[in-house]
Amino acid sequence: DAGVIQSPRHEVTEMGQEVTLRCKPISGHNSLFWYRQTMMRGLELLIYFNNNVPIDDSGMPEDRFSAKMPNASFSTLKIQPSEPRDSAVYFCASSLGLAGGGPNFGPGTRLLVL
Amino acid sequence: GENVEQHPSTLSVQEGDSAVIKCTYSDSASNYFPWYKQELGKGPQLIIDIRSNVGEKKDQRIAVTLNKTAKHFSLHITETQPEDSAVYFCAAWPAGGTSYGKLTFGQGTILTVHP
Repeated sequence: DAGVIQSPRHEVTEMGQEVTLRCKPISGHNSLFWYRQTMMRGLELLIYFNNNVPIDDSGMPEDRFSAKMPNASFSTLKIQPSEPRDSAVYFCASSLGLAGGGPNFGPGTRLLVL
Repeated sequence: GENVEQHPSTLSVQEGDSAVIKCTYSDSASNYFPWYKQELGKGPQLIIDIRSNVGEKKDQRIAVTLNKTAKHFSLHITETQPEDSAVYFCAAWPAGGTSYGKLTFGQGTILTVHP
């Protein structure tokens, strides 16, 4: 089992640029979560999907953030345009359903917006 | 929505001592409570979990207790070792209601085990 795969692992970009983070969930898992981690705010749930359908995106901070899950094995989190306050570690996690069990986290993408 | 409070924020113990981390939750619909360990530069790793129909669960040196009436749950680590040093997070997962599926984390506890 390869676990949750995220790419890139590190991203440095300039303010105003578009950033796309990618996630491949564990095969067979049908729920996917995007979290953001900062020292000030801890682990924040941004959005989660069940069977490729977004269930709750109330944690997405602004319209600059968008997430998609076109199929069961791939999801993206996009920030356009990026701002310095978006600098954080972004985690993707997956689980078998929303009824508990896991989820399993990926290694994260460390984003720095200059 | 669900709100999870975690205490203490930092915990320092001597090797061999026990460590206890406590969490409270607000949503009575929460029925699954995982605990994660996060090491520097890595993603959170699930170490133990408990469901609301169970009061206690143990896995070697780690145990978790749940008081559903009081809405609090705790992580107990016995015979601590330096490799237990990490950040620990509790979480609560509602199985219904308006927060269905919304896994919410506590603020984290930095555990340091001194040799």
